[in-house]
Amino acid sequence: DAKTTQPPSMDCAEGRAANLPCNHSTISGNEYVYWYRQIHSQGPQYIIHGLKNNETNEMASLIITEDRKSSTLILPHATLRDTAVYYCIVRATQGGSEKLVFGKGTKLTVNP
Amino acid sequence: EAGVAQSPRYKIIEKRQSVAFWCNPISGHATLYWYQQILGQGPKLLIQFQNNGVVDDSQLPKDRFSAERLKGVDSTLKIQPAKLEDSAVYLCASEGYATDTQYFGPGTRLTVL
Repeated sequence: DAKTTQPPSMDCAEGRAANLPCNHSTISGNEYVYWYRQIHSQGPQYIIHGLKNNETNEMASLIITEDRKSSTLILPHATLRDTAVYYCIVRATQGGSEKLVFGKGTKLTVNP
Repeated sequence: EAGVAQSPRYKIIEKRQSVAFWCNPISGHATLYWYQQILGQGPKLLIQFQNNGVVDDSQLPKDRFSAERLKGVDSTLKIQPAKLEDSAVYLCASEGYATDTQYFGPGTRLTVL
């Protein structure tokens, strides 16, 4: 079973920041928080991951609370192409090679 | 860098027929995964390979599903015979030692009639 809880759906206006929350209260010390998204009819796309520090890349920012029990994915300027299902996943990397356990994710709709 | 390739993209078969899917991972990626995604749900792992050895196939319905990864590169997933409930998208992903990140292919959408 997935170890994360996400709202089933969210809406965002185009050009505004989209803030997607995720709860992972049972996360272990060696588990990372990963975010993927899946645009309709495509395979999941990696966005970002982090352990305890906040992370930023060209796609998004990841804010992890100090107790690591929750996190927020931030898309700073959402576009229509960001409409997708966003999955928050906790995973121990240990050099890789561990399966991803997906929940149902958050369906983000970016409106014009 | 080329991504994960899968074929075919779509397949329609009748129940009790057999079907095979093919996956070519990103070059140099030792770990390969097959996931099944039923409509409205997140992907679920079917089988994981490390090079050409199976790491985890606990969720693979072995009475009808089989998979192989000869030479530790390409992989095929087969269903024989197919059931209506096998209608889903079958996703292949690969991962390299240095990345800690799985990269997914576009998937194969299977419809069983």
